[in-house]
Amino acid sequence: GQNIDQPTEMTATEGAIVQINCTYQTSGFNGLFWYQQHAGEAPTFLSYNVLDGLEEKGRFSSFLSRSKGYSYLLLKELQMKDSASYLCAAMDSNYQLIWGAGTKLIIKP
Amino acid sequence: IAGITQAPTSQILAAGRRMTLRCTQDMRHNAMYWYRQDLGLGLRLIHYSNTAGTTGKGEVPDGYSVSRANTDDFPLTLASAVPSQTSVYFCASSDSSGSNNEQFFGPGTRLTVL
Repeated sequence: GQNIDQPTEMTATEGAIVQINCTYQTSGFNGLFWYQQHAGEAPTFLSYNVLDGLEEKGRFSSFLSRSKGYSYLLLKELQMKDSASYLCAAMDSNYQLIWGAGTKLIIKP
Repeated sequence: IAGITQAPTSQILAAGRRMTLRCTQDMRHNAMYWYRQDLGLGLRLIHYSNTAGTTGKGEVPDGYSVSRANTDDFPLTLASAVPSQTSVYFCASSDSSGSNNEQFFGPGTRLTVL
């Protein structure tokens, strides 16, 4: 079957770095997405990886290893506004997104 | 409107009633999707449409129907609501001809079925 695993909740300190891991198992693979979702709001796009390696975009970076079925989202210089849920989603062979349950990130001062 | 809108924002509905959730996008995206989001679960795809005039079933289609008469609109209908359909519903769209199929989400509809 198809499955996405990511931690339920993580806590980090303002100004620090945090890495949110995601493992996936899908029928075919057409890329890995990360979305941010603040409480009560819609998900918003953060990153897309389809090739192995690290993609850097400002304070956020995303990494993909296709052979390991593994991705992570790295957030640097954490700010209080980064408190949100981070959703990992893999695109399968039918170009449909399979979503993880999300990782709730709590930032403490 | 520049984006994707949903209506209503929230609704309380008696079980057995019929309800249509509306979704409109002005980005001329060919693909549209309906998801439900429940606490502790990932977004689950209800129905999708790859282009106007076509629709497909997602992971959890039972009890729901959709239509795609034109590019912009993708309404979701609950023919006879049940309490298990209490959820937050998100509509999304994407330009599947693009390089990454990024999905853009509407603000959501919070539905409570009593």
